[in-house]
Amino acid sequence: DSGVTQTPKHLITATGQRVTLRCSPRSGDLSVYWYQQSLDQGLQFLIQYYNGEERAKGNILERFSAQQFPDLHSELNLSSLELGDSALYFCASSPTWGPTNIQYFGAGTRLSVL
Amino acid sequence: DAKTTQPPSMDCAEGRAANLPCNHSTISGNEYVYWYRQIHSQGPQYIIHGLKNNETNEMASLIITEDRKSSTLILPHATLRDTAVYYCIVRGYTGANSKLTFGKGITLSVRP
Repeated sequence: DSGVTQTPKHLITATGQRVTLRCSPRSGDLSVYWYQQSLDQGLQFLIQYYNGEERAKGNILERFSAQQFPDLHSELNLSSLELGDSALYFCASSPTWGPTNIQYFGAGTRLSVL
Repeated sequence: DAKTTQPPSMDCAEGRAANLPCNHSTISGNEYVYWYRQIHSQGPQYIIHGLKNNETNEMASLIITEDRKSSTLILPHATLRDTAVYYCIVRGYTGANSKLTFGKGITLSVRP
């Protein structure tokens, strides 16, 4: 158990809909990262938050947004969903940021868009 | 961050050592080598990381060559539960971004 909690584990929805994925980081971790894993793109970094502020952005679509709340949990919002958004979404956390900070991953949310 | 090259797959017998190679010929002096693994579709699991010295923990050993252009992850006594995709990642200070850049990894199959 990494200590990172993601809910829900599975989500099935229809095209055009909006969903929210939730992540609770390990106790004490200030950084939260979101990654997407699809069959054709592999594991890709989406966005990072540090202590409530956006710190870095990766290949995140404009239809996707995220935030980190004062209690440090984070939510990833996906809107106007398309079939191609079906993927595993992972959240990771680390104490601060930088290459010496180990990222610990949650079990992921499997999103199926029908 | 420097790019890494790993063979697509390898196998080893249960109980034997598994030596997973990784090339990172463009690595720079302040970049770290990280190894993660992903068992089936579970979340990636941290294994070990290092800068230039060899490192060992309860899971594995990391051997980095003197020129730092390649490294080897060693699982000393592989078990069936070690069957997974193993990712070698080079990670440095790229401004505010401390993301992990995952490649295709190497699929390790441990056979009975």
